[in-house]
Amino acid sequence: QVQLQESGPGLVKPSQTLSLTCTVSGGSISSGGYYWSWIRQHPGKGLEWIGYIYYSGSTYYTPSLKSRLTISLDTSKNQFSLNLSSVTAADTAVYYCAGQPVVRHAFDVWGQGTMVTVSS
Amino acid sequence: DIQMTQSPSSVSASVGDRVTITCRASQGISSWLAWYQQKPGKAPKLLIYGVSSLQSGVPSRFSGSGSGTDFTLTISSLQPEDFATYFCQQANSFPLTFGGGTKVEIK
Repeated sequence: QVQLQESGPGLVKPSQTLSLTCTVSGGSISSGGYYWSWIRQHPGKGLEWIGYIYYSGSTYYTPSLKSRLTISLDTSKNQFSLNLSSVTAADTAVYYCAGQPVVRHAFDVWGQGTMVTVSS
Repeated sequence: DIQMTQSPSSVSASVGDRVTITCRASQGISSWLAWYQQKPGKAPKLLIYGVSSLQSGVPSRFSGSGSGTDFTLTISSLQPEDFATYFCQQANSFPLTFGGGTKVEIK
């Protein structure tokens, strides 16, 4: 059973880069069975899909964040990562990594989420 | 982007009640609609995918229906553990988008 775990700093200064890693266990990130996504939730608000990466390295980013966003894979560590540059207070949120089976078009596995605060 | 509009934004109900939540897409999304349950401080949990397919392990009191732009999630007999916030999500086109959520509260 695939499990996900986010890691990274809980506090980031404005204008700096937010970097998070999602470690996949119970399955290989290279198996091709999942799209690997990042999703965030602003405090008390709804869910915002950020983007995904596939085992091949192909990505899709939400247009509103595309200019600041990089999602990458490290198959040797079975991890995928999020880098969001030039952050502001508006990027303060709980960040989730999630997996969407290629055949299911829904997120059936989620990390527990990690709160990231942007503040000086 | 496809906008997903949920209604109501909150509902008060009692144990045993039938609860229906609606999700409307700003354009047709075929059958690419999923529902999630989220409890405070926890990650969302997939309940239903493909409009009406029940995720493994999810109780049969949850059901989904609809097509095109209008979809519903029904809880046939509300249980204490069902008090939570529910989100719909479309997977028809990128960027993937979620509804604003419906909070099911104890009456």
